[in-house]
Amino acid sequence: EAQVTQNPRYLITVTGKKLTVTCSQNMNHEYMSWYRQDPGLGLRQIYYSMNVEVTDKGDVPEGYKVSRKEKRNFPLILESPSPNQTSLYFCASSDQGQVHNEQFFGPGTRLTVL
Amino acid sequence: ILNVEQSPQSLHVQEGDSTNFTCSFPSSNFYALHWYRWETAKSPEALFVMTLNGDEKKKGQISATLNTKEGYSYLYIKGSQPEDSATYLCAFTTNFGNEKLTFGTGTRLTIIP
Repeated sequence: EAQVTQNPRYLITVTGKKLTVTCSQNMNHEYMSWYRQDPGLGLRQIYYSMNVEVTDKGDVPEGYKVSRKEKRNFPLILESPSPNQTSLYFCASSDQGQVHNEQFFGPGTRLTVL
Repeated sequence: ILNVEQSPQSLHVQEGDSTNFTCSFPSSNFYALHWYRWETAKSPEALFVMTLNGDEKKKGQISATLNTKEGYSYLYIKGSQPEDSATYLCAFTTNFGNEKLTFGTGTRLTIIP
C-alpha cells in the first residue's frame, strides 16, 4: 500500500531532550516536506527536500533540523525542544521533485514538550 | 511569507444543501493552487491541483474553479452529505523557483443531518 508513515504518533517529552520524528514513504517520491499545525494558524511548512541531500527551509525552520540521506526517509530533528514546539506535525511527499504536485500526508505526530 | 486566505472560517450547512467557499491568494507569480480535505483525526487528502486560469475540476459532488488573474478559487459542494464534514484547506505555490507550499487556515464545514 502506498503510504507515508511517521513515528512516533504521540510523544510527550521535556524541554531540552533531543528527539527525532521519523518519516518514510514507499512511493519513490523525490519531494518531501514537514509541516506543523497549530490552532488558528493552519499548516506551516518547516523544511522541505527536493531530492536526496537537497534540503531547504520553509516558513518556520527555527529549532528544527532535517536530513535526506535516502530517498524514502526524511527525519525531523529537534535538538533542544521547547514548549513552543508543542504541535501536530505532518510529513508529506509528492512526485517528480515538485511541490506543485499533490501532497501525500502521513498520519501526523502529536508532540507535547513540557 | 505569502498570504493565503480562506473564507468563511467555519460553516454549518443542512444535509442536501449546496455550499461553496473561497480561497484568496496573491495573483502575481502564481504557479499552482491545491485543495485538500482534512477530516478530524485523519491526514489531509488531496482533492485538486489546478494551474491554469479558468481551470475547473470535479470529483463526485465536489468541484473547484480557479481565477489566477484576480487571485481566487472557489470550492463547491453540491448536495452536501454528513460525510462531507471536514476542514477544507487550500494551498498555493509560486513560480519563484523555490518549492514552498503555503496553506490557508481552512474552512471548517459541518453538515447538519
